[in-house]
Amino acid sequence: QSALTQPASVSGSPGQSITISCTGTSTDVGGYNYVSWYQQHPGKAPKLLIYTVSNRPSGVSVRFSGSKSGNTASLTISGLQAEDEADYYCSSYTLINTLVVFGGGTKLTVL
Amino acid sequence: EVQLVESGGGLVKPGGSLRLSCAASGFSFPNAWMTWVRQAPGKGLEWVGRIKSKTNGGTTDYAAPVKGRFTISRDDSKNTLSLQMNSLKTEDTALYYCTTGFCTSSSCHWDDAFDIWGQGTMVTVSS
Repeated sequence: QSALTQPASVSGSPGQSITISCTGTSTDVGGYNYVSWYQQHPGKAPKLLIYTVSNRPSGVSVRFSGSKSGNTASLTISGLQAEDEADYYCSSYTLINTLVVFGGGTKLTVL
Repeated sequence: EVQLVESGGGLVKPGGSLRLSCAASGFSFPNAWMTWVRQAPGKGLEWVGRIKSKTNGGTTDYAAPVKGRFTISRDDSKNTLSLQMNSLKTEDTALYYCTTGFCTSSSCHWDDAFDIWGQGTMVTVSS
């Protein structure tokens, strides 16, 4: 199972909005509404930001939102802050060779 | 405090074995489905495998690269998760995290969303 496809890097200025895409296939992203997004700061464990495409766990800022269209999911971060600079990973449930497939990760730089 | 603490990592030669442990506290470990995720140095996240709760059969599933070499087990009396790794390869070098999902009032997310993570334990396979 190949990893989901994410852009290697994105950047934005404080206060702006950015969107990170996550492209899979009909056997993962397109086939299930079980897409999650994680934020990982250097040397830290991942933190769950979004689950089931667009739901936020308690305590996650409303600046983080998720959506999906066909085989592509997206994470939007609005009102960028310096602390948002991190790596972001998407994941999807799948039944092909594994149960969960992750994206390759996107490095967000806040300019 | 909800916590997962991994241990057991280290340096091992190709073909060798290693056993990782994950101590859980602050939540109902026997009811949780537990997952191992790894991250090679400078690389992304990779799902390794999962064990269901005993009330859900305690069955395991593994990613293709580790199937037949890795075994996940649990000791609910000690709130401990284990990962037995045999026939290790250089490509198994990674930081290994234990993690678990959660339940809301309407559904459980054991296999699709992981909200509790340990700090990871590093496994290096090298001659």
